[in-house]
Amino acid sequence: GAGVSQSPSNKVTEKGKDVELRCDPISGHTALYWYRQSLGQGLEFLIYFQGNSAPDKSGLPSDRFSAERTGGSVSTLTIQRTQQEDSAVYLCASSFDRGNSPLHFGNGTRLTVT
Amino acid sequence: GESVGLHLPTLSVQEGDNSIINCAYSNSASDYFIWYKQESGKGPQFIIDIRSNMDKRQGQRVTVLLNKTVKHLSLQIAATQPGDSAVYFCAENTGDYKLSFGAGTTVTVRA
Repeated sequence: GAGVSQSPSNKVTEKGKDVELRCDPISGHTALYWYRQSLGQGLEFLIYFQGNSAPDKSGLPSDRFSAERTGGSVSTLTIQRTQQEDSAVYLCASSFDRGNSPLHFGNGTRLTVT
Repeated sequence: GESVGLHLPTLSVQEGDNSIINCAYSNSASDYFIWYKQESGKGPQFIIDIRSNMDKRQGQRVTVLLNKTVKHLSLQIAATQPGDSAVYFCAENTGDYKLSFGAGTTVTVRA
């Protein structure tokens, strides 16, 4: 079946603009994660959604970052008033359940803030 | 601080040889571990996982070994091929739903 789909694959924006990144998880996966990967670095947890439960936003680096998941499926990560340090690859992943099954990642959105 | 770490940031291996990638973790409560492979421009791809009640698991050309006594995890790739060139990450689940990732080891296969 189809994997995790993210769009756009690349986004260049000017400092101070808002951006929206989209994630379509694998059908049937109840858990959805956003991670951030800076150049040459590991993955930094941002936010987690599980079913209808309140999301875990503990990894969001500032209040400029927010995310929502509509209908338990598609998720949008929004970054307001982008800064140059926001430049990174934003990865979305989904899984069947809470942490004891593999996360399946999309190919990410490469965000460049100029 | 980071609880998962890889011993070497880079590994160069001759095509056809076996590769061993090591990973240390510090949280003794970790009960689930995963190895991922990431190629340039792509997201991490699941390779193999292992739970804490096991010490070895084999897949196709890959074997993961878990030593809970010294909190060490390794990935062995048999007969390494050019397509194995990538960055390899280990990740651990410490009991909640968030995986903690190491910084990665870059594997380069020499022809």
